[in-house]
Amino acid sequence: NAGVTQTPKFQVLKTGQSMTLQCAQDMNHEYMSWYRQDPGMGLRLIHYSVGAGITDQGEVPNGYNVSRSTTEDFPLRLLSAAPSQTSVYFCASSPQGLGANVLTFGAGSRLTVL
Amino acid sequence: KQEVTQIPAALSVPEGENLVLNCSFTDSAIYNLQWFRQDPGKGLTSLLLIQSSQREQTSGRLNASLDKSSGRSTLYIAASQPGDSATYLCAVRGNTDKLIFGTGTRLQVFP
Repeated sequence: NAGVTQTPKFQVLKTGQSMTLQCAQDMNHEYMSWYRQDPGMGLRLIHYSVGAGITDQGEVPNGYNVSRSTTEDFPLRLLSAAPSQTSVYFCASSPQGLGANVLTFGAGSRLTVL
Repeated sequence: KQEVTQIPAALSVPEGENLVLNCSFTDSAIYNLQWFRQDPGKGLTSLLLIQSSQREQTSGRLNASLDKSSGRSTLYIAASQPGDSATYLCAVRGNTDKLIFGTGTRLQVFP
């Protein structure tokens, strides 16, 4: 049972490039989310999804797109990378929403934008 | 807008001490509160989840309390060990499917 898998673990981009951070879970979780973690600012929610075909914005959605075509996958797309998007990105999932269920986190993807 | 604050930002203690980590939030209309542990370079691991109707939760040497009316939660770690060294984060959920995180307390327990 792999849990939440994020790829790549590390990525360096130039300003203006695009890329996709992949997130996959094998626990049949309905809820999936993306956070970014910056020094001194804690984790901030970018986008989340409560099920296949449903996505919504979090606190800091600008510059990021998501889609949820399957229950297992929740990719995060950076359309035109900016230095301000240098951060560590975490994907997390939960069986059904955030009721009594805890979040399971991936190991993170460290992105540097030059 | 919900804001979550954790004090202290960093803490260094000798092994065996009992510790209290603090978490405060500005909007008391929360659904639940979670405490997480994060090891360097790793993701987060959930430690305890307290529903808004509960006062505390315990797991082994960890005890988390919640005072919703005052906007506070504490994480109590008994008989600390070097293996407890990590960053501890609290997060609150309001009436949406969003978690708002604090900035964390970085704990170092030395032998």
